[in-house]
Amino acid sequence: EVHLVESGGGLVQPGRSLKLSCAASGFTFSDYFMAWVRQAPTKGLEWVASITYDGGSTYYRDSVKGRFTISRDNAKSSLYLQMDSLRSEDTATFYCITMYTTDYYYLFDYWGQGVMVTVSS
Amino acid sequence: DIQMTQSPPSLSASLGDKVTITCQASQNINKYIAWYQQKPGKPPRLLIRYTSTLESGTPSRFSGSGSGRDYSFSISNVDSEDIASYYCLQYVNLPYTFGAGTKLELK
Repeated sequence: EVHLVESGGGLVQPGRSLKLSCAASGFTFSDYFMAWVRQAPTKGLEWVASITYDGGSTYYRDSVKGRFTISRDNAKSSLYLQMDSLRSEDTATFYCITMYTTDYYYLFDYWGQGVMVTVSS
Repeated sequence: DIQMTQSPPSLSASLGDKVTITCQASQNINKYIAWYQQKPGKPPRLLIRYTSTLESGTPSRFSGSGSGRDYSFSISNVDSEDIASYYCLQYVNLPYTFGAGTKLELK
């Protein structure tokens, strides 16, 4: 059974940094693209970043480019999101997600329970 | 960016009703739309991919259709366990974009 457990969230001041982690189990982690999606309180879903199997390619939404870095450690079956220069609008629950494809286009499959990040002074 | 216009924002239904949610993309997404269900305090769950393909475990009362820019998602015979929010997702282009969501409530 796929299991994704996020950690590292919390309250942080604007301009500071935070690193989220996601521990994966129940599947061969290195076989999957992975992603982070966030959801602001009582709001909708927003894709943040994705990473390929080996971490060789990464993709970001414009609003986090240059501030967030997605990475992975396949030996530890772990996904990370380094978030720098945090802003109040980054306040959200962040979900770690597996991605899969049956042809060429990848979509979001299994989701972790999420971790809350609050950016406030 | 591809905008996904989802409607209605909320829906009230009685048990056994059929309900339909629509998503219109700002450009042709070639059927690369997925639908997710999210219950309060839980992460989203993938129900349907590629417009109409039900994921394993998705009840057959859920269905999807559409092409080009216009897509719909239906629940026939609404059950109490279907009370949730539903989101569409286009996954043909980066950035991935979701619809704003539809909250399904019991009448």
